[in-house]
Amino acid sequence: EPEVTQTPSHQVTQMGQEVILRCVPISNHLYFYWYRQILGQKVEFLVSFYNNEISEKSEIFDDQFSVERPDGSNFTLKIRSTKLEDSAMYFCASSEVDTQPQHFGDGTRLSIL
Amino acid sequence: AQTVTQSQPEMSVQEAETVTLSCTYDTSESNYYLFWYKQPPSRQMILVIRQEAYKQQNATENRFSVNFQKAAKSFSLKISDSQLGDTAMYFCAFIGSGNTGKLIFGQGTTLQVKP
Repeated sequence: EPEVTQTPSHQVTQMGQEVILRCVPISNHLYFYWYRQILGQKVEFLVSFYNNEISEKSEIFDDQFSVERPDGSNFTLKIRSTKLEDSAMYFCASSEVDTQPQHFGDGTRLSIL
Repeated sequence: AQTVTQSQPEMSVQEAETVTLSCTYDTSESNYYLFWYKQPPSRQMILVIRQEAYKQQNATENRFSVNFQKAAKSFSLKISDSQLGDTAMYFCAFIGSGNTGKLIFGQGTTLQVKP
């Protein structure tokens, strides 16, 4: 069964540094998403992306965040200047259409020191 | 604003028994989609079951079924014949038809299946 893949599985970064989280969505999916889960808390929506542009973003997704689909397969989340509170598990997801079930990757654990 | 509430932070059940996890939501939309996701200790997010609000029939997937009460805005998950592998955090989630696929999650219920 096709899967969403995320790399790296764990990223440790110094505060203030830039970090890029990578995702390869399922190939025939058109909608892409990033979510965040701070340890022990609920999963929070960050951004949705369709037709090469952001469809919706949450209040969390401020100017420090950006997303890109640089080629036909990758979908990236960049945090420009990381803060301690950015430490979380970041999940990428994709779906065929916006109301279909989203398939999640295994997540990237981001630790900011 | 749309919200999802899971009022049971933790639950436990004996192996082979049945357990029901509760979820309520709030929306002004008439058409929407509801999901249950499972997150085992490995932290993956796995889809368990999906329900379209316009369908009156409750969704079922093997040992998993839902009790969807649209008027009450309730969407509970029943797990029959619980197995040790069902031990996980369970999240109820909502997508509105007018949204951009944004999933709104509840706080989660940690389920422990005991041998």
